[in-house]
Amino acid sequence: GAVVSQHPSWVICKSGTSVKIECRSLDFQATTMFWYRQFPKQSLMLMATSNEGSKATYEQGVEKDKFLINHASLTLSTLTVTSAHPEDSSFYICSARGGKEQYFGPGTRLTVT
Amino acid sequence: LAKTTQPISMDSYEGQEVNITCSHNNIATNDYITWYQQFPSQGPRFIIQGYKTKVTNEVASLFIPADRKSSTLSLPRVSLSDTAVYYCLVGADTGKLIFGQGTTLQVKP
Repeated sequence: GAVVSQHPSWVICKSGTSVKIECRSLDFQATTMFWYRQFPKQSLMLMATSNEGSKATYEQGVEKDKFLINHASLTLSTLTVTSAHPEDSSFYICSARGGKEQYFGPGTRLTVT
Repeated sequence: LAKTTQPISMDSYEGQEVNITCSHNNIATNDYITWYQQFPSQGPRFIIQGYKTKVTNEVASLFIPADRKSSTLSLPRVSLSDTAVYYCLVGADTGKLIFGQGTTLQVKP
């Protein structure tokens, strides 16, 4: 099946700093990528939809100035958590659409201290 | 977006067949039904997708009745490694997928 990678797999940062997470579709081109967040024992929550070459569409309640999304190419989308705070600590998962199917990355564990 | 309803949890024993049913009463004409499996601290893994009737692959079967208001994921002869959370999602191939609470399957020896 199609492969989606994320980097880094885990990151620890200090409060107030920014962190960038990369999402790549390795063997297919993805015009649309999605970013999710998952807290412990909870389901995935969609944060935003990212289309190549255009601005991301954010879900209600997600701060677009805090979670910067860039989809510069058909194989790469990035999520930057700006001025991170401990409450931003979570598991961030990206996905990419390849045809009718949507493939998910392995996730990035962010811990803000 | 169609909302899905699944049992919160299910228990099974190794070697048994497990059927997880999902309700999606408001499914739209162009919506597909997709099931994912998620292990702790991993991204969801695609299991199977269908539109109507029955779909089978090497790991599961998906049964969809004619009215498409529900679907059943069937896992044959489960093993301990099938313990995971299973999500049923509906959506068009150009739309976004919204996750429900999922079904936590616990397979016991």
